[in-house]
Amino acid sequence: DTGVSQDPRHKITKRGQNVTFRCDPISEHNRLYWYRQTLGQGPEFLTYFQNEAQLEKSRLLSDRFSAERPKGSFSTLEIQRTEQGDSAMYLCASQQGTGTEAFFGQGTRLTVV
Amino acid sequence: QQQVKQSPQSLIVQKGGISIINCAYENTAFDYFPWYQQFPGKGPALLIAIRPDVSEKKEGRFTISFNKSAKQFSLHIMDSQPGDSATYFCAASRRGGADGLTFGKGTHLIIQP
Repeated sequence: DTGVSQDPRHKITKRGQNVTFRCDPISEHNRLYWYRQTLGQGPEFLTYFQNEAQLEKSRLLSDRFSAERPKGSFSTLEIQRTEQGDSAMYLCASQQGTGTEAFFGQGTRLTVV
Repeated sequence: QQQVKQSPQSLIVQKGGISIINCAYENTAFDYFPWYQQFPGKGPALLIAIRPDVSEKKEGRFTISFNKSAKQFSLHIMDSQPGDSATYFCAASRRGGADGLTFGKGTHLIIQP
């Protein structure tokens, strides 16, 4: 297993366009998290899946954001009608159980122009 | 409300010296305290983690000191090397971990040769 994989690594989009990111977690991990990291800040929690169920969403996750994890495997994060404030690194992490190591992917860097 | 406060924001240490980064938390429901290392363009990677039932944990050159009554914990890097130059984040999570990790703002560490 090569760890948590995210695609694409970089995305430049025009304001108002929709974008979708993909995360492939470590295969045996049942927990999957999305975070957002802006320059000079620590990652901020966006949402959490346990298997295919989305169990928690941050207030940072506006109505323009939606995430899915069909069949409890890979996950997608979609941002509709992107705004310049959405420019950030979007990180995915997976974990097996609670209180264990969370493994992060390399992230998708989004730039909205 | 910033639930995990990290200091200093940046730190320069001579090779072979001790690097010390401090964090303080507010939420007494936190029960897992990891430290992550992040290199530019990469996702965070776990260095070492501690639970509040112990006051210290050591792994190689990295030590976490934990003070439950003061709600503070710190990372000590012994014999600091240029390869340790990176951004370090403290984090905390609640039992169950459904709302993910709460990160500090990070410390940019530079080890001068």
